[in-house]
Amino acid sequence: DAGITQSPRHKVTETGTPVTLRCHQTENHRYMYWYRQDPGHGLRLIHYSYGVKDTDKGEVSDGYSVSRSKTEDFLLTLESATSSQTSVYFCAISAAGTGGETQYFGPGTRLLVL
Amino acid sequence: GDSVTQMEGPVTLSEEAFLTINCTYTATGYPSLFWYVQYPGEGLQLLLKATKADDKGSNKGFEATYRKETTSFHLEKGSVQVSDSAVYFCALSDQGGATNKLIFGTGTLLAVQP
Repeated sequence: DAGITQSPRHKVTETGTPVTLRCHQTENHRYMYWYRQDPGHGLRLIHYSYGVKDTDKGEVSDGYSVSRSKTEDFLLTLESATSSQTSVYFCAISAAGTGGETQYFGPGTRLLVL
Repeated sequence: GDSVTQMEGPVTLSEEAFLTINCTYTATGYPSLFWYVQYPGEGLQLLLKATKADDKGSNKGFEATYRKETTSFHLEKGSVQVSDSAVYFCALSDQGGATNKLIFGTGTLLAVQP
């Protein structure tokens, strides 16, 4: 358990509304990530952060923004949700260990955009 | 760019059968390789990893060997149980890069029947 929580765990929203998902960690890890999971695609990286106020885009960043004002919180915002953003969203942290860094995942947020 | 290819599922086995899930990768550097498992309704859990050629990762009876010559990291278990039913993801990370981003395969669903 890497001390990662995500909120909300489930959300239903309507097309065009803004949505913010929160990832919270308790162990002061520098790197945090947002992925989305879709059938046939595995997990794909949306955005990541390498420190407070330091973020960068991943593979599927269009339509998403992120913010990290504190080490422990990494927020993912859908500015205007679309049905194509219906997905399961996972947050992850990177922790050092034997043989290098390993990513550990939160429990996920299931988002349905109607 | 880097990529991971997994065998398509679902894989359906009887209890105590031998399991192999194939995973091959393409990478320009010297990646670390991972297997993650996702049980129904849950997030991803690290199952095992290997960080250099010929390393063998093992956990809970599962094993995978990092084969650089064949660019493979196949997951094996000698005797599966019903409780092993889950989705298995192969992933790679370029540990030499600054971000430790993971690239995932599409996942393989394993269903074990009693």
